[in-house]
Amino acid sequence: EVQLLESGGGLVQPGGSLRLSCAASGFTFSSYAMSWVRQAPGKGLEWVSAISGSGGSTYYADSVKGRFTISRDNSKNTLYLQMNSLRAEDTAVYYCAKVPLSVVVPAATLDYWGQGTLVTVSS
Amino acid sequence: QSVLTQPPSVSGAPGQRVTISCTGSSSNIGAGYDVHWYQQLPGTAPKLLIYGNSNRPSGVPDRFSGSKSGTSASLAITGLQAEDEADYYCQSYDSSLSGLGVFGGGTKLTVL
Repeated sequence: EVQLLESGGGLVQPGGSLRLSCAASGFTFSSYAMSWVRQAPGKGLEWVSAISGSGGSTYYADSVKGRFTISRDNSKNTLYLQMNSLRAEDTAVYYCAKVPLSVVVPAATLDYWGQGTLVTVSS
Repeated sequence: QSVLTQPPSVSGAPGQRVTISCTGSSSNIGAGYDVHWYQQLPGTAPKLLIYGNSNRPSGVPDRFSGSKSGTSASLAITGLQAEDEADYYCQSYDSSLSGLGVFGGGTKLTVL
């Protein structure tokens, strides 16, 4: 059974940093691309970032480019999202999700999702 | 404001059929990119409902179906049940945006 468990969320001040983790199990982690999607309170879903199975290719939404870094440790079956220069508008539940391919292609589907971790940016 | 437009809300009585539209343009759905649909029950994470325009993952009832034509896609739910009350999101890609995915604004389905 595929399981994705996010952690690392919390309260952080504007301009601060936070690193999210997503522990994966139930599938061969290194064989699949992964993605982060966020949802602001009471709002819709926003695609944030994606990374290929090897970690060699990464992609970002304009809203986070230059501030967020996606990475993975295939030896630990773990996906990361390093978030720097955080703003109030980054407040959201962050979900990690699995892509059913080793590479990230336009319009790739997200076949399994974690339960999410809440990030609150406030002073 | 997403490039994929969904109605904010739809409703239907138990047993009825409802459809949710996802309207795009020539830079996304109309360019041939796949559309996927997700169901988000209250207080839970999204779940894949339809992938590749019209395919159901294992375990998704055949009451749910997807279609795509031109610059739009649709999700149809037949035999509406109380447990279908949820938010529904379409997802695709838009060549005018950075990143590799874009979601519609979401549609709240109310079962009357």
